[in-house]
Amino acid sequence: SQKIEQNSEALNIQEGKTATLTCNYTNYSPAYLQWYRQDPGRGPVFLLLIRENEKEKRKERLKVTFDTTLKQSLFHITASQPADSATYLCALDTGRRALTFGSGTRLQVQP
Amino acid sequence: NAGVTQTPKFRVLKTGQSMTLLCAQDMNHEYMYWYRQDPGMGLRLIHYSVGEGTTAKGEVPDGYNVSRLKKQNFLLGLESAAPSQTSVYFCASSRRVSDSPLHFGNGTRLTVT
Repeated sequence: SQKIEQNSEALNIQEGKTATLTCNYTNYSPAYLQWYRQDPGRGPVFLLLIRENEKEKRKERLKVTFDTTLKQSLFHITASQPADSATYLCALDTGRRALTFGSGTRLQVQP
Repeated sequence: NAGVTQTPKFRVLKTGQSMTLLCAQDMNHEYMYWYRQDPGMGLRLIHYSVGEGTTAKGEVPDGYNVSRLKKQNFLLGLESAAPSQTSVYFCASSRRVSDSPLHFGNGTRLTVT
């Protein structure tokens, strides 16, 4: 069956370190992948998009990689801050005109 | 710009009651979506629309109906609410480009007792 997996356990890191979140998928061949941030009680907010022919994308302290052979995307936040604490969702193009989302990973950055 | 606005923000229903959730967007987006979010299950697509007057089923459409009579509005209806429909409902919209990001509202928390 088709599946998108994100680590369901919270990721706790110290301020200033790099946070790395993983998104694995099976049985898809997505043309692109998107990452969103979600704060408690709020809707997800778009962060980055990476296409299948792109290995890496950067935006300020954020970096996303996309390995279509491993069927995996990594999301990095460098020099993390307590304000980066949130749940991060990956979403894939699964061939329909709507995204399919993973269940998200909660990031907690300790001061 | 308000973006995507959902009403109401909270609602409690008794089993068997009906209600309509309203989503409005002011970005002139063609595509609109309804997702539900449950703990540990992520966002699941209920129904979506690729333009005014059109709707399509998503991953979990049973028990829900939708209408898109105006481009800026997308309504989600529950005809006979069930406790399994207790969830947070998110509406989203996007441009008519395949990789366009979704813009989400802040959700409606629905409890069915």
